[in-house]
Amino acid sequence: ELKVEQNPLFLSMQEGKNYTIYCNYSTTSDRLYWYRQDPGKSLESLFVLLSNGAVKQEGRLMASLDTKARLSTLHITAAVHDLSATYFCAVQPFDKLIFGTGTRLQVFP
Amino acid sequence: DSGVTQTPKHLITATGQRVTLRCSPRSGDLSVYWYQQSLDQGLQFLIQYYNGEERAKGNILERFSAQQFPDLHSELNLSSLELGDSALYFCASSEDRASGNTIYFGEGSWLTVV
Repeated sequence: ELKVEQNPLFLSMQEGKNYTIYCNYSTTSDRLYWYRQDPGKSLESLFVLLSNGAVKQEGRLMASLDTKARLSTLHITAAVHDLSATYFCAVQPFDKLIFGTGTRLQVFP
Repeated sequence: DSGVTQTPKHLITATGQRVTLRCSPRSGDLSVYWYQQSLDQGLQFLIQYYNGEERAKGNILERFSAQQFPDLHSELNLSSLELGDSALYFCASSEDRASGNTIYFGEGSWLTVV
């Protein structure tokens, strides 16, 4: 059974600090997605990573993919309060899109 | 606005009842996915359709069924509802997997079973 694990599950960080969220998955997948979800809201697509070594950046967020290690990272640079949300990674080895456990991020002053 | 439309947005119903959730995918998208999100189970993949055909199945209960119609909209039917079925149900859509494009989610349908 495919497992997608994120860590940490909860992250409380101060504004201006950097941190990394990790996403490990248990089976081969050539692509990985990152989403953001605000409480009670829909999932907003952040990144689609389609190959080994892929790196994408948008604002204070940067995502990377290592398909050989089955690992993706989401790096947060100089966090701001607006980044407070839950972040999900998801893998799609075939047709199913399987989500990780989610990382709840809280940024405080 | 992702372009994926779900109705109804909120629904309250009694145990034992049956409900239908509806999803209209983004224009041009052939794949539709259904997910259940609850506090204790996270985002659970239920089922996926591609151009009217069932493509993948997840942890979907036998009480639940879905279909995708020729106009590509999809419906998720939930029957013999139990309190534990209370959750936020998401529909998502995408082009063919080969396109590598993102998968867009609708706003969700909040189901409360009382």
